[in-house]
Amino acid sequence: KAGVTQTPRYLIKTRGQQVTLSCSPISGHRSVSWYQQTPGQGLQFLFEYFSETQRNKGNFPGRFSGRQFSNSRSEMNVSTLELGDSALYLCASSPTQGAGEKLFFGSGTQLSVL
Amino acid sequence: AQSVTQLGSHVSVSEGALVLLRCNYSSSVPPYLFWYVQYPNQGLQLLLKYTSAATLVKGINGFEAEFKKSETSFHLTKPSAHMSDAAEYFCAVSEAGGTSYGKLTFGQGTILTVHP
Repeated sequence: KAGVTQTPRYLIKTRGQQVTLSCSPISGHRSVSWYQQTPGQGLQFLFEYFSETQRNKGNFPGRFSGRQFSNSRSEMNVSTLELGDSALYLCASSPTQGAGEKLFFGSGTQLSVL
Repeated sequence: AQSVTQLGSHVSVSEGALVLLRCNYSSSVPPYLFWYVQYPNQGLQLLLKYTSAATLVKGINGFEAEFKKSETSFHLTKPSAHMSDAAEYFCAVSEAGGTSYGKLTFGQGTILTVHP
């Protein structure tokens, strides 16, 4: 079974631009979560989607948004990029939603904002 | 609200020595607890998880962790370190029940260095 696939692997943008990151979960997995990882703040939860519905959202500004498609693939969008948005964005999938579910992580998209 | 504290941002051991990575959690409801490992330029890989079935949890690569409710701890151990264990380790908590679903709250991470 293929793992969680995130594209692109690396991305360089400038302040004010917007960016869209993509995540394809493991086949059969219906829940997708997104996390931001930075040296200063560590790993922080962005949001979780299940069956095309956002089930949970972290404490991030409205510039961060996401969606999930009927095939469970997910995208996250960041508008009006700021320097502080530079981070590794990790996507994780699980078969269902649930607190005890283990998450399978992709290798991430490294976003650099100049 | 849930939180995780990992004591020691860097731990250094010799090959063959005991590995002990410390994690304390705070949760208002019974927690699910996890340890993940991250190798350079990779995502996170699950080592083990505690979901109330047994307090001593065995994971992959010889790691295990013990849930101690009285100490609100979930420390990760391995009897004998191997060079390939060098990585960053994250403790995480998820609250059973409620509406947190799959949301994980992570600790700040501990970088493990293994010396020959």
